Amino acid sequence: QVHLLQSGAVVMYPGASVEVSCKASGYHFSGFSVHWVRQAPGQGLEWMGWINPVSGVTKFAQKFQGRVAVSTDTSINTAYLHVNGLTSDDTAVYYCARDRNNFPDYWGQGTLVTVSA
Amino acid sequence: SYVLTQPPSLSVAPGQTATIFCQGSNIGGKSVHWHQQRPGQAPVLVIFNDRDRPSGIPERFSGSNSGNTATLTISRVEVGDEADYFCQVWDFTTDHLLFGGGTKLTVL
Repeated sequence: QVHLLQSGAVVMYPGASVEVSCKASGYHFSGFSVHWVRQAPGQGLEWMGWINPVSGVTKFAQKFQGRVAVSTDTSINTAYLHVNGLTSDDTAVYYCARDRNNFPDYWGQGTLVTVSA
Repeated sequence: SYVLTQPPSLSVAPGQTATIFCQGSNIGGKSVHWHQQRPGQAPVLVIFNDRDRPSGIPERFSGSNSGNTATLTISRVEVGDEADYFCQVWDFTTDHLLFGGGTKLTVL
């Protein structure tokens, strides 16, 4: 069955960078794009961007352009989210999700990133 | 930019029907998907392409979409259906994925 396993919770200082990983199993990783979505405490879902694992083409929501990068390593079926210049506003649960046809059909368990001095 | 609007909350008694709306300009011309998020858990897809159910999702969950409103209907509501429900579309003009603000369903 499809499974997306994300890296564990982290606490980061303001101004630091963070990387979240998302290891896929149960399907042909290269055949599906990967979305990244975040959720601040008590808030809704916010789409950050996505990546096509084969072409490497990415697309980001405007507010994240220039501060967020996504990548994949198809040899180990893993996608990565990298966020620079963290502030307290970046404290959130970050989710990866498999794209089916312009919608997520399977979600990772989420990774809590806490930004605190 | 395109905006999806959902009521923030809805309360229903067990066994009743919950109807959750998602409003957007001519949303009937888009494919709408619904994600359920139980407290403390990751989202789960419950309806895709307006009205299709992924395997494992009960038939009690159904969807429709027309005009400016998409609808998620949950029949014979159970305590386990208590969750936040998010509608979602793809905006082809910006190549962005969009979520509604979410509706918190409380089962009394």
